[in-house]
Amino acid sequence: SAVISQKPSRDICQRGTSLTIQCQVDSQVTMMFWYRQQPGQSLTLIATANQGSEATYESGFVIDKFPISRPNLTFSTLTVSNMSPEDSSIYLCSVGGRAGGTDTQYFGPGTRLTVL
Amino acid sequence: GENVEQHPSTLSVQEGDSAVIKCTYSDSASNYFPWYKQELGKRPQLIIDIRSNVGEKKDQRIAVTLNKTAKHFSLHITETQPEDSAVYFCAALTDSWGKFQFGAGTQVVVTP
Repeated sequence: SAVISQKPSRDICQRGTSLTIQCQVDSQVTMMFWYRQQPGQSLTLIATANQGSEATYESGFVIDKFPISRPNLTFSTLTVSNMSPEDSSIYLCSVGGRAGGTDTQYFGPGTRLTVL
Repeated sequence: GENVEQHPSTLSVQEGDSAVIKCTYSDSASNYFPWYKQELGKRPQLIIDIRSNVGEKKDQRIAVTLNKTAKHFSLHITETQPEDSAVYFCAALTDSWGKFQFGAGTQVVVTP
């Protein structure tokens, strides 16, 4: 499976600011996914990032709040904008998906975000 | 869209006993069902998966069964060990792009 890294691993931010999370993969992948996992909860898909096209957002998530970039086949960023304490969560990227030739998704280590 | 329900939410077992976690899904078109294990502070790790053309799959102490007619699948862990303590998530593949719908998770605690 691919080796996936995320930066930062954790951060504490003030409300009203923005944080950009980076996801790097050691091989080229077609599909990248961004998830949010609130404390003690399951994984909720924020958006699907396919290289060369605009990200597709799930219901309840909007581009103005969570802009995503996918400049190449090994890298993606998720920005959490104008943060509030409700954005405190773990953010995970994953790679995989049928367009990449595999159904399985593999996850990055996650970014633990605390908003004060 | 797809809806995945997972039960129980918590499961306490004695070391050496078996643990069973059940998930049901709503979309009959779903055809791939992975299980992830997430230890505290770690990323979800794939432990086993099953496709809709297979009824059962085993990997050492772990097995997954699928009943397409009833639209449910289960994770079975035999001879549980303390290191099996974690949160387990089931998922169903929902579309051609590869999106998953995850269950709510099961906290498994194995007591020595």
